[in-house]
Amino acid sequence: GQSLEQPSEVTAVEGAIVQINCTYQTSGFYGLSWYQQHDGGAPTFLSYNALDGLEETGRFSSFLSRSDSYGYLLLQELQMKDSASYFCAAASGGSYIPTFGRGTSLIVHP
Amino acid sequence: SQTIHQWPATLVQPVGSPLSLECTVEGTSNPNLYWYRQAAGRGLQLLFYSVGIGQISSEVPQNLSASRPQDRQFILSSKKLLLSDSGFYLCAWSVNRVSGNTIYFGEGSWLTVV
Repeated sequence: GQSLEQPSEVTAVEGAIVQINCTYQTSGFYGLSWYQQHDGGAPTFLSYNALDGLEETGRFSSFLSRSDSYGYLLLQELQMKDSASYFCAAASGGSYIPTFGRGTSLIVHP
Repeated sequence: SQTIHQWPATLVQPVGSPLSLECTVEGTSNPNLYWYRQAAGRGLQLLFYSVGIGQISSEVPQNLSASRPQDRQFILSSKKLLLSDSGFYLCAWSVNRVSGNTIYFGEGSWLTVV
């Protein structure tokens, strides 16, 4: 089967940098995606890493290491509005259906 | 550009009543379609997925069913709701190819069974 592990909660202060880790166990891995979900809202797609390395989109960056079965989402210059749940997801083994991690609740303090 | 809409946004239903949630996708053809459920503060549970009209796969046995009467329409139904069916229901779509695992979610539907 497929499984993804991520911390349940991370806290940080406004303006800081935070990293949310995700480790996965899959076969025939394709890539790792990240989603953001604010309370009461639907998840929105943030980024996708198919290859090793860092992908940067504004204040958010995502990293993948296939050899380590590991990735992370990096959020810089944290803002209060970044308080949300963040999910990593991976598809593998010939299936187009991604498996989601349980989500990390990010709490940003002033 | 592609858009996805689902409705109703919120509903309160008595136990034993029927349910119908609808979802439509615009701006793409032959998408993969999904129904997820999310309990309060929990992760995403895949309920059903579809790769084409009339093709439905169920991930979790329960009193819910799904149908895809048209290419870009996905419906979640129940004949008799249970209290445990309460939750946040999300319709989603993705490109229909093996490596296209980026999923785009609708706005979600909050269901409270009383």
